[in-house]
Amino acid sequence: DAGITQSPRHKVTETGTPVTLRCHQTENHRYMYWYRQDPGHGLRLIHYSYGVKDTDKGEVSDGYSVSRSKTEDFLLTLESATSSQTSVYFCAINTGEQGDNEQFFGPGTRLTVL
Amino acid sequence: GESVGLHLPTLSVQEGDNSIINCAYSNSASDYFIWYKQESGKGPQFIIDIRSNMDKRQGQRVTVLLNKTVKHLSLQIAATQPGDSAVYFCAEMGNFNKFYFGSGTKLNVKP
Repeated sequence: DAGITQSPRHKVTETGTPVTLRCHQTENHRYMYWYRQDPGHGLRLIHYSYGVKDTDKGEVSDGYSVSRSKTEDFLLTLESATSSQTSVYFCAINTGEQGDNEQFFGPGTRLTVL
Repeated sequence: GESVGLHLPTLSVQEGDNSIINCAYSNSASDYFIWYKQESGKGPQFIIDIRSNMDKRQGQRVTVLLNKTVKHLSLQIAATQPGDSAVYFCAEMGNFNKFYFGSGTKLNVKP
């Protein structure tokens, strides 16, 4: 499990409201990731981080921002949630120093945007 | 998983039989691959990995085969058990060490 926790685990919100999801790890891994998982699409990368204050976009980054002010925390923010952002969100870490090793996932956050 | 399972290819096997789950990847430059298992309501669970300098790797009851010529990856599960029922998907590490995931195969083990 690589000591990964996500909060909240479930959230229901309304269109237009801001939402922040938190990923926390206990093992000081450099690389952290946010994915969303939807039927028919598998897991798609939203954003990732390769160190404190170092982030980059993934394939579905529109409408999302991230921040990493500490090694252990990686935050995903939806500035103004839309119904298309209803999904299950997974955080992951990579055990490799260059992000090229095993990738382990958190338990997920189910987000519903009404 | 919670959000996969719709319109997924499904493999049904009898308990005790061997299972083979296949995956085609897209990037010939990918040099690292991972197989994951995902049970309903849980995050993906690492099963086994393989790097492109190998064509076979074995774990406990699982074997991954890599055919770089046709960009094909397979996961073999020996003596499949009811607890193996889940969605399985492969991931390839592409450019800039980003991972790309397949949409998954649902394994249904019949007792």
